[in-house]
Amino acid sequence: DAKTTQPNSMESNEEEPVHLPCNHSTISGTDYIHWYRQLPSQGPEYVIHGLTSNVNNRMASLAIAEDRKSSTLILHRATLRDAAVYYCILRDEISSNTGKLIFGQGTTLQVKP
Amino acid sequence: DGGITQSPKYLFRKEGQNVTLSCEQNLNHDAMYWYRQDPGQGLRLIYYSQIVNDFQKGDIAEGYSVSREKKESFPLTVTSAQKNPTAFYLCASERGLPNSPLHFGNGTRLTVT
Repeated sequence: DAKTTQPNSMESNEEEPVHLPCNHSTISGTDYIHWYRQLPSQGPEYVIHGLTSNVNNRMASLAIAEDRKSSTLILHRATLRDAAVYYCILRDEISSNTGKLIFGQGTTLQVKP
Repeated sequence: DGGITQSPKYLFRKEGQNVTLSCEQNLNHDAMYWYRQDPGQGLRLIYYSQIVNDFQKGDIAEGYSVSREKKESFPLTVTSAQKNPTAFYLCASERGLPNSPLHFGNGTRLTVT
């Protein structure tokens, strides 16, 4: 299974944009890039996913490099409620284990008021 | 509101006892998953089920058992054979379609002494 690499932690100031990087140099052509986040003592929450093109939704934007070996989750204006662990995950929809996600350690985002 | 419910939130057991964790969803999702999370770690897959009456072992199935008799329910039994059962257990479900996001419950924190 392809793996991802994320920084262990990042800090941001409230109301400023946050760029969370993810490296996935061994990504295959059928891997989608998914992002989830987990608040303390809660289950993870889906944020966004994409394949090749940049994606936007109400929570965040996902910028994918042209060679697909890295991606960046963008929170446009961080709030205190965005403090969480952010997971970047590759998901292969073609394999027989469809839906089996591999969660690494993620990036712990701290947001300062 | 549709969602996925795990109960109880906290569970305490003595070593050597089996314990069953409940997971119920009213989202009409076909696929369901059980993950384990240890402090400061990512999630590891225990078991998953893509359809009623069928389930597959994940990466750390030893010492655990599951059943999937109903679409809505996917209980996990932590048996006395599980050497380190104290952990945070997360249940998730998804529609089973390509790239459908996982919906997680808020977890059960199991402590075995």
